[in-house]
Amino acid sequence: EADIYQTPRYLVIGTGKKITLECSQTMGHDKMYWYQQDPGMELHLIHYSYGVNSTEKGDLSSESTVSRIRTEHFPLTLESARPSHTSQYLCASIGLAGGNPYNEQFFGPGTRLTVL
Amino acid sequence: QKEVEQNSGPLSVPEGAIASLNCTYSDRGSQSFFWYRQYSGKSPELIMFIYSNGDKEDGRFTAQLNKASQYVSLLIRDSQPSDSATYLCAVRAGTASKLTFGTGTRLQVTL
Repeated sequence: EADIYQTPRYLVIGTGKKITLECSQTMGHDKMYWYQQDPGMELHLIHYSYGVNSTEKGDLSSESTVSRIRTEHFPLTLESARPSHTSQYLCASIGLAGGNPYNEQFFGPGTRLTVL
Repeated sequence: QKEVEQNSGPLSVPEGAIASLNCTYSDRGSQSFFWYRQYSGKSPELIMFIYSNGDKEDGRFTAQLNKASQYVSLLIRDSQPSDSATYLCAVRAGTASKLTFGTGTRLQVTL
């Protein structure tokens, strides 16, 4: 069972507000990821980090920003939310799991964001 | 051409039948292959991984890998309505940490 957490699980907010989506993991994983996924659509990688003070943009351009000050914490921030940001945001980390000698990717439960 | 391709479906199979889900990939350097199940509105959960050519069985699930033909498949035996979900194929190249996901195949198991 992966220990990766996201808060809030659901967020409804007005246009122009600044929001931060939280993601934390207690597994000591160095590599963490943010994906954006619209209902019934594919996953899009928007940010990733390979360790503290390391952040990179993903395959899909995003107006969000991320930070990685601590290993366990990888928050995503939208400075000014817009309706086009309405989506599900999934956080993930990669590390070893029981019975598997190779790294696995674990997903958090997701944050469903609605911008009015 | 997408790096990881899946038929979006829906793939409809009757309860008790075998569901066969296919995935092809373009990067010959890919070494690790994963199948995730995603229920509507939920996050993906890992159900199978495979690294070597051949078959790997885990309960009702069998993953099949053919690196020469660059495809990986997932068989679900004795399909149940609870198997109805979207199945995502993911591929990792070498020691790279990023997974490349397919668009997913939606499976519907009918009564």
